[in-house]
This record gives sequence, structure tokens and C-alpha cells, in this order.
Amino acid sequence: AQRVTQPEKLLSVFKGAPVELKCNYSYSGSPELFWYVQYSRQRLQLLLRHISRESIKGFTADLNKGETSFHLKKPFAQEEDSAMYYCALSVNDYKLSFGAGTTVTVRA
Amino acid sequence: KAGVTQTPRYLIKTRGQQVTLSCSPISGHRSVSWYQQTPGQGLQFLFEYFSETQRNKGNFPGRFSGRQFSNSRSEMNVSTLELGDSALYLCASSSPGVNEKLFFGSGTQLSVL
Repeated sequence: AQRVTQPEKLLSVFKGAPVELKCNYSYSGSPELFWYVQYSRQRLQLLLRHISRESIKGFTADLNKGETSFHLKKPFAQEEDSAMYYCALSVNDYKLSFGAGTTVTVRA
Repeated sequence: KAGVTQTPRYLIKTRGQQVTLSCSPISGHRSVSWYQQTPGQGLQFLFEYFSETQRNKGNFPGRFSGRQFSNSRSEMNVSTLELGDSALYLCASSSPGVNEKLFFGSGTQLSVL
């Protein structure tokens, strides 16, 4: 069965510093990977997906099949990036398997 | 477009009771998924429906069931409630393709006493 691991439960960075959220997965095939974000008092929402190869709000994520990773990165963190981030995986079965989530706090 | 609507927002039940939660998807979305969110287990998949058919089911006991109506609205039911069923239940809707973007509702917070 597929599994998603986010090793950091909490991550605190200073404004303007780079931030990287780690995500590793276990699946032998070709999964689709996502990052979902939940800002305070807001709904869980899609941040980005690997097939789109896009940058959303300055965040990027690269799928590394060799290391089975999909780390989320932003070169300069902003206070509005403080949120809960979830890495998720899908294997064409109409469901998402989520990691435990990482709470990011950006300090001024 | 209105977002995914879940009712009720909060529920308090006692052990042994049953509960029904409702979800209205975004207009035009025919796929509805349900997830359970708890501090200990995180987000776990319950089931997914499309055109009134369940296409996938997570590893939950048979006490958890769901259905989808012809207007794509969905309900989930939990019978014989246990303390461990206390959780935030999230509904998400999407376009019918595989791996489509999910739009989540605000959830129903269920407390079992």
C-alpha cells in the first residue's frame, strides 16, 4: 500500500528565509503527488500538483522518483505562508493518501 | 460558484447512537469523497462516489457507510458510534476525472460522548 511521510511536524523559519518541507512516499509505480495547504480558519485547498510543474505563491516542488520524494520549497518565506501543509499521493484510484502534515510558522 | 457545503457544522452524540452527515458538492461536480481528520491519525480516506456509485472505499469498519444521490449530493452515516469516531469529517468534490483537484468543505465536527 502507498504511504506518505512528512518527517517534520513543526517548522519555524524567519521571514525572508528559505523554507523546505520534506515529503517522502512509498509506492513502486508512478503516483501523482500533491501539496495541500490549510491556512488558519480556512478550508483545505490544493497548493500544487507535480504534473502541473507550476509555481504557486512562490512555492515549487519537484518529484524525485529515485529518492521517492516531493519536497516543497520556497526561497523567501512570508508571514502569510504560515499554515498547515499536507503532502498527498494518488495512484489512479480516486483517493488521496495524506501525510501527517507539517505546521509552518513564519516569524517576523 | 458556491463551495462545498457540509451540514451540520457541529454534532454531539453519545456512544451507540448513529449519525448522518450531509455534503453538497460544487455545482457540476459529480465526484464526492469523504475523509476523516483526527489529531492522531491525520486525514484518512473513507470513500468516494461518482454517479451514485462507490468507486473506492478506505479501511474503515462497516459502521461507516455512504451514498450519493442523483443530484450528486452525498451523505455518510456512522452507526453504533464509538468514542474513537470523534473527528472532523471532510467532504470534497471534484470533476470526474482521475486525480482531479479536490475542493474541500469546512467539515462536520463530530463529538461522541
